[in-house]
Amino acid sequence: NAGVTQTPKFQVLKTGQSMTLQCAQDMNHNSMYWYRQDPGMGLRLIYYSASEGTTDKGEVPNGYNVSRLNKREFSLRLESAAPSQTSVYFCASSDPGQGISPLHFGNGTRLTVT
Amino acid sequence: GIQVEQSPPDLILQEGANSTLRCNFSDSVNNLQWFHQNPWGQLINLFYIPSGTKQNGRLSATTVATERYSLLYISSSQTTDSGVYFCAVGYNQGGKLIFGQGTELSVKP
Repeated sequence: NAGVTQTPKFQVLKTGQSMTLQCAQDMNHNSMYWYRQDPGMGLRLIYYSASEGTTDKGEVPNGYNVSRLNKREFSLRLESAAPSQTSVYFCASSDPGQGISPLHFGNGTRLTVT
Repeated sequence: GIQVEQSPPDLILQEGANSTLRCNFSDSVNNLQWFHQNPWGQLINLFYIPSGTKQNGRLSATTVATERYSLLYISSSQTTDSGVYFCAVGYNQGGKLIFGQGTELSVKP
């Protein structure tokens, strides 16, 4: 049981380049999330998907787009990377319909934009 | 929006010591979770505890929702407890959470 799997683990981009971060979960969770973590700060929500077919903005959505491809997969796209997007990105999932629903995180993608 | 404050920001312990980490939040919530980020960066969910008390081995947590705080207790600390502990809160049962800044714990052998 892999849980939440993110790819790639590391990525270096030049300013203006684009890329997509991939995330998949095998826990049959309805809800999926993308967070970013910057030094000295807690995690901040970028986008989330409460269920398949829906997506909503979180606290820091500017510069990002998301796609909920199916129940398992939720991708995050940077169309034109900027140095301010240098961060560690975490995908997570939960299943709020089950009541008690802890958030499960992937291992993160460390992105550097030069 | 909700403000989440954790204290202390840093903590150094000798192996075997006990500690209490605190999380204060500024509004009524019905979702509160504690996470441990290990030195390799992995985030592990410790507790889902919007109210009441839970225990898991050497760790326990108590949330007093009416007074807007939660405590995480670590007993007989081990070096593997090192890392950053995050408290996160939300208005609903999902994963749309506001995180605190974390408490960085270092346990020395």
